[in-house]
Amino acid sequence: DSGVTQTPKHLITATGQRVTLRCSPRSGDLSVYWYQQSLDQGLQFLIQYYNGEERAKGNILERFSAQQFPDLHSELNLSSLELGDSALYFCASSVGGGEGETQYFGPGTRLLVL
Amino acid sequence: GESVGLHLPTLSVQEGDNSIINCAYSNSASDYFIWYKQESGKGPQFIIDIRSNMDKRQGQRVTVLLNKTVKHLSLQIAATQPGDSAVYFCAARDSWGKLQFGAGTQVVVTP
Repeated sequence: DSGVTQTPKHLITATGQRVTLRCSPRSGDLSVYWYQQSLDQGLQFLIQYYNGEERAKGNILERFSAQQFPDLHSELNLSSLELGDSALYFCASSVGGGEGETQYFGPGTRLLVL
Repeated sequence: GESVGLHLPTLSVQEGDNSIINCAYSNSASDYFIWYKQESGKGPQFIIDIRSNMDKRQGQRVTVLLNKTVKHLSLQIAATQPGDSAVYFCAARDSWGKLQFGAGTQVVVTP
């Protein structure tokens, strides 16, 4: 158990819908990262937040957005969902800003868009 | 564009032997590299990282080697154990600070 929690574990929804994925980092960790893992694209870094502020941006679509709250939990919002958004979404956390630090991954949320 | 690729999709290793997993990257400006391990049904697990000003870094039973000349990264696992069976990903940080991941190599440890 990494100490990072993600909810829900599974999510089934329809195209065009909007969903919110939630992540709670390890106690004391200030950074939260979001990743998408699909069969055809592999593991993709989406975005990083550090202490409430966006720190780095990866291959995140404009239909997706994220935020980190004062209690350091983070939410990833996916809107206007398409079939191709079906994937595993992982959250990770680290103590500080990132480089040289271990990122601890949560168990993931499996999203299925029908 | 940039790419990070793994040479072999599957690596079979006998228990007790050493494993070597290779990774090539295309962006010579990449300055930071990470290896992850992902077991079936679990999230990725950070194994080890290395900055571009280093050639080698050692962890517990793992060593990462970086050859910037040929843009090649490898992960060596000593005395491979059944618990090492997993998919291993390399990632390289590009010029914009984004991590680019390889497709992954499946390591299968046989008794």
